[in-house]
Amino acid sequence: SQQGEEDPQALSIQEGENATMNCSYKTSINNLQWYRQNSGRGLVHLILIRSNEREKHSGRLRVTLDTSKKSSSLLITASRAADTASYFCATGGGSRLTFGEGTQLTVNP
Amino acid sequence: DSGVTQTPKHLITATGQRVTLRCSPRSGDLSVYWYQQSLDQGLQFLIQYYNGEERAKGNILERFSAQQFPDLHSELNLSSLELGDSALYFCASSVFPTGGRHGYTFGSGTRLTVV
Repeated sequence: SQQGEEDPQALSIQEGENATMNCSYKTSINNLQWYRQNSGRGLVHLILIRSNEREKHSGRLRVTLDTSKKSSSLLITASRAADTASYFCATGGGSRLTFGEGTQLTVNP
Repeated sequence: DSGVTQTPKHLITATGQRVTLRCSPRSGDLSVYWYQQSLDQGLQFLIQYYNGEERAKGNILERFSAQQFPDLHSELNLSSLELGDSALYFCASSVFPTGGRHGYTFGSGTRLTVV
């Protein structure tokens, strides 16, 4: 079973709008990562947030982490058509990452 | 180009056959991870090697095996293939055995179709 669960499963927005994706996980974590996957391609690491951090920014990306609720959110601001992809959260301690099922984001031009 | 090279990109084979997937990690990375992505199971961790040694094992079937060679490239061997083994197989690499703050670098995957 997956450690993380993304919500929503699918999201469709217009270019320029913001997109928010949520991730919930079950066990304690050292960090949480977000990855992007374009259709049928490899995953690209976006951002890592440690368990002692509450918020992190990288360009148009903003990630929050609430360890008390075991949840994280990924916000993409001013979305572009090129942001169309699946987004996965991943948790893991040690050697392996456990991925959620992903949110399919579609940004319409 | 992520720096992680996987070959072949596509593979079509029959049930019962054996195939080998190859991965060259990003230059300088000592750790290699194999993941399977299928529609029904999502992304599943299979196995990890670090500097030639097996470090962690996930949901890897007994019909599957892997190894990492002295030049750090890795091979994933899948045998007695079944229709359900059809999936995308990803290799990822990292410098440290636990990933590190820059996460893992993924290859573009091998799409295996078993017919």
